[in-house]
Amino acid sequence: GAGVSQSPRYKVAKRGQDVALRCDPISGHVSLFWYQQALGQGPEFLTYFQNEAQLDKSGLPSDRFFAERPEGSVSTLKIQRTQQEDSAVYLCASSLARGPLNTEAFFGQGTRLTVV
Amino acid sequence: SQQGEEDPQALSIQEGENATMNCSYKTSINNLQWYRQNSGRGLVHLILIRSNEREKHSGRLRVTLDTSKKSSSLLITASRAADTASYFCAIPRGGNQFYFGTGTSLTVIP
Repeated sequence: GAGVSQSPRYKVAKRGQDVALRCDPISGHVSLFWYQQALGQGPEFLTYFQNEAQLDKSGLPSDRFFAERPEGSVSTLKIQRTQQEDSAVYLCASSLARGPLNTEAFFGQGTRLTVV
Repeated sequence: SQQGEEDPQALSIQEGENATMNCSYKTSINNLQWYRQNSGRGLVHLILIRSNEREKHSGRLRVTLDTSKKSSSLLITASRAADTASYFCAIPRGGNQFYFGTGTSLTVIP
């Protein structure tokens, strides 16, 4: 596809369940970002990949959150033992250049996670 | 914090009017970006302005940047109902991430 694709669009998980969120970035894009967006708030940074290397994971809220991009394209964000406070929209973005400094990022439509 | 903060939080105008929203930040930057988010959708890049630029135009959008005041403004002229969305400024941080504010929610009434 031409844009960033995320799946699933919606996920309902029972508290304590593990979830995996997938992001297909634009082909050839070096940089990939994950953001968490709570209702009525702006996106909060989670983690950044440059190709397959995870260069920044300073935004991951706990060790229950894990992200990977093993071949430098598709990325998966995994949340273990989900809790209600994990309920949010998870946004993935990719960009052609290394880092966001001087280039636009292309966002997917997000995965809305609801933990019940 | 280098987080951008948008002002106002919410704005409601009639179709055809201009809409102005502002962003303030706290530290030095080399560029600032504006994004739009329609309800339930991802963010869409609108415009990037570099620190050595004072004003930039793209269609009906006009962005200004005042690095001495650490502020930026986004002006949408001749607004349309389709402009209804949330607007965010994005501040680069550390080379690897953006900081987003809480956004300005714009409603354009037909």
